[in-house]
Amino acid sequence: KAGVTQTPRYLIKTRGQQVTLSCSPISGHRSVSWYQQTPGQGLQFLFEYFSETQRNKGNFPGRFSGRQFSNSRSEMNVSTLELGDSALYLCASSPRDSIRDNEQFFGPGTRLTVL
Amino acid sequence: KQEVTQIPAALSVPEGENLVLNCSFTDSAIYNLQWFRQDPGKGLTSLLLIQSSQREQTSGRLNASLDKSSGRSTLYIAASQPGDSATYLCAVRPGDSWGKLQFGAGTQVVVTP
Repeated sequence: KAGVTQTPRYLIKTRGQQVTLSCSPISGHRSVSWYQQTPGQGLQFLFEYFSETQRNKGNFPGRFSGRQFSNSRSEMNVSTLELGDSALYLCASSPRDSIRDNEQFFGPGTRLTVL
Repeated sequence: KQEVTQIPAALSVPEGENLVLNCSFTDSAIYNLQWFRQDPGKGLTSLLLIQSSQREQTSGRLNASLDKSSGRSTLYIAASQPGDSATYLCAVRPGDSWGKLQFGAGTQVVVTP
């Protein structure tokens, strides 16, 4: 079974631009969560999508948004980029079939650099 | 508010020694706890998932225990190898959310040959 894939793997943008990152979950997984990892703040939860609906949201400004498609693939968008948005963005998928069956599997991440 | 702490932040051991990594959390209302491994610049690899009703999980040289009432989990890695060098992260799933994991800052492990 193929793992979680994320594209692109690396991105360089300038302040004020916007960016879209993509995540394809493991086949059969219906939940996709997004995380931001920085040296200073560690791993922080951004949001989770299930059945094309945002189910949980972390403490990030409205510039961070996402969506999920009917095939469970997800995208996240960051508008008006700031230098502090430079980070490794990770997505994780899980089956979300039951309370017990919710192990999260992570993709390789997208490294975003904002200049 | 849930806080997850991992001590120590860094650890160096000679090859063959057993590794003991600690994770503590402040709110015992969790659904599960997951241990991950992260190599530099890479994504996270899931090592073990312990449900809140379980006391331990084992996989090969890895064993993780969970004491929910005291807010602690320990990851044991037997007979460490240089390939075990990585950052190890623990994460709890809070009782009030599904897809959200709350992470500790990690323990950076170096196993010297």
